[in-house]
Amino acid sequence: NAGVTQTPKFQVLKTGQSMTLQCAQDMNHNSMYWYRQDPGMGLRLIYYSASEGTTDKGEVPNGYNVSRLNKREFSLRLESAAPSQTSVYFCASSEALGREGTEAFFGQGTRLTVV
Amino acid sequence: GNSVTQMEGPVTLSEEAFLTINCTYTATGYPSLFWYVQYPGEGLQLLLKATKADDKGSNKGFEATYRKETTSFHLEKGSVQVSDSAVYFCALSGGNSGYSTLTFGKGTMLLVSP
Repeated sequence: NAGVTQTPKFQVLKTGQSMTLQCAQDMNHNSMYWYRQDPGMGLRLIYYSASEGTTDKGEVPNGYNVSRLNKREFSLRLESAAPSQTSVYFCASSEALGREGTEAFFGQGTRLTVV
Repeated sequence: GNSVTQMEGPVTLSEEAFLTINCTYTATGYPSLFWYVQYPGEGLQLLLKATKADDKGSNKGFEATYRKETTSFHLEKGSVQVSDSAVYFCALSGGNSGYSTLTFGKGTMLLVSP
């Protein structure tokens, strides 16, 4: 019953450092997503992958890259971290993008601080 | 594009009080509507959903009705418990825009005291 697993749970970076956030799901879902959550802003979509082999930009993609490694895994990379990227990052997955009423399942989140 | 507006919090209630959290949306066509809940330190989880006008979603004593005429999906519970303290997010997907990822409101924090 793992669902969506994110690593790490916490991370502190210095400005300019790089890192990759890992996400894996075991529900055989086709679509995966990365969101960031900031106080007073709700959740904003960074990137998504409708199916294995495809990725698309969301609302706030600048400063990030993604890789859909296989059907299970979807990673988010910060090439040169900035303090504005301090946030809580959530990975999510769903059966299929665009299917009516499709529920998204979320990981526990990664709390990232850039100093 | 799609958007969701929900009431700002925090909403502070005593146990057994009635809860309403307002949510309105902007979208063309018939989007699917959702309420997600986030307990402290956790990710979001689906609370309830509705996919057609006049449908009522319900779960754990919470209810919300899809009102197309007022573009609303207000969350209600007749008697809240301390364990309901969490952040509640209204969200939508689909409609005619063709943009089918979830669009979230900013969230409403609910604090229930004994």
